[in-house]
Amino acid sequence: EAGVTQFPSHSVIEKGQTVTLRCDPISGHDNLYWYRRVMGKEIKFLLHFVKESKQDESGMPNNRFLAERTGGTYSTLKVQPAELEDSGVYFCASSQDRARQYFGPGTRLTVT
Amino acid sequence: AQSVTQLGSHVSVSEGALVLLRCNYSSSVPPYLFWYVQYPNQGLQLLLKYTTGATLVKGINGFEAEFKKSETSFHLTKPSAHMSDAAEYFCAVSVPGSGNTGKLIFGQGTTLQVKP
Repeated sequence: EAGVTQFPSHSVIEKGQTVTLRCDPISGHDNLYWYRRVMGKEIKFLLHFVKESKQDESGMPNNRFLAERTGGTYSTLKVQPAELEDSGVYFCASSQDRARQYFGPGTRLTVT
Repeated sequence: AQSVTQLGSHVSVSEGALVLLRCNYSSSVPPYLFWYVQYPNQGLQLLLKYTTGATLVKGINGFEAEFKKSETSFHLTKPSAHMSDAAEYFCAVSVPGSGNTGKLIFGQGTTLQVKP
């Protein structure tokens, strides 16, 4: 069984540019989560999808962040325009029953 | 609201010594508790979890944790450290129930160094 995959693994962009991160969950997992770890801080929840619907967006920092989940399969997280404080590692996780989440390797975003 | 505190951002032990990583939580309802490990350049991997039932939970790679409600703790232990245990460890909580999303609240992480 393939695990959660994320693309790209690293991204370096300039302030003001746009970046789109992608997450492919484990097949059949309806629940998809995005988390972020800013340097030196704890991993923080961003949002939760059930299939294509957003269930909880309470962790999204501001309206520069837009998450979508097309057809309830893969998800994208777009940051537009990127700011310096957006740098960090973005993790995606998927779950079948919400009791256990399977994490991807993360995307390291650096905004210069 | 839930919160998690991991005591010690860095812990160093000798190979063969006891590993003890501390985690205390705060939750208004009985939570689910988790320990995840992140090896270099990899994603988070579940070590063990507590949902209900037996308070001593055994996980992978010889790790275990005990849920102590009276102390609001969920410390992670391993009797004998191995060099391959060097990694970053995260304690996390979630609120169970059909009305909850299952989102995880993480502690700050503890980096375990194992010295030969």
